[in-house]
Amino acid sequence: GAGVSQTPSNKVTEKGKYVELRCDPISGHTALYWYRQSLGQGPEFLIYFQGTGAADDSGLPNDRFFAVRPEGSVSTLKIQRTERGDSAVYLCASSLIAGDNEQFFGPGTRLTVL
Amino acid sequence: KQEVTQIPAALSVPEGENLVLNCSFTDSAIYNLQWFRQDPGKGLTSLLLIQSSQREQTSGRLNASLDKSSGRSTLYIAASQPGDSATYLCAVSTNFNKFYFGSGTKLNVKP
Repeated sequence: GAGVSQTPSNKVTEKGKYVELRCDPISGHTALYWYRQSLGQGPEFLIYFQGTGAADDSGLPNDRFFAVRPEGSVSTLKIQRTERGDSAVYLCASSLIAGDNEQFFGPGTRLTVL
Repeated sequence: KQEVTQIPAALSVPEGENLVLNCSFTDSAIYNLQWFRQDPGKGLTSLLLIQSSQREQTSGRLNASLDKSSGRSTLYIAASQPGDSATYLCAVSTNFNKFYFGSGTKLNVKP
């Protein structure tokens, strides 16, 4: 596709459940980023992949959060034992390479934990 | 840790006005700075990217400047239009792998 896509666009789940959020980056982009945006705030960095490896996961809030990118393209953000505080918009971005290139963002997945 | 602040938090102007949005950051050792636009319920659209070695970038009615030494950037919008109404976000990278975002300026351009 032409841009970054994310699925689902909306996800409602119950406290304690497991969720997976998917990101399809722009074709050929080697760097992929996950951010989390709470209402009225700017996005906060979660994790960055260069190729298949997580080069920086310092933004993941705790060990309930995990992300993979097994083939260096699609990435999945996984959240275990969801809590109400996890409710936010989860944004994915990609860039051609890390560093000087622009980051292009997807439309986000709005996660609501009841 | 890099802190990014955007002022004002909200701005309402009549159509046709020129306006300036401000962004400041605490660590001047940045790789680049990017301005984004976000419409309600949508993702981020990149407007301008300024490399650390540059002082400004222009695209149409938009001009962004960067003063690394003082930790400031401005986004200038000329001849504002109602379609410019959105939240504008400033983001800086202090290494090559992540951006630190401000909380944004919510702009309303009245017809």
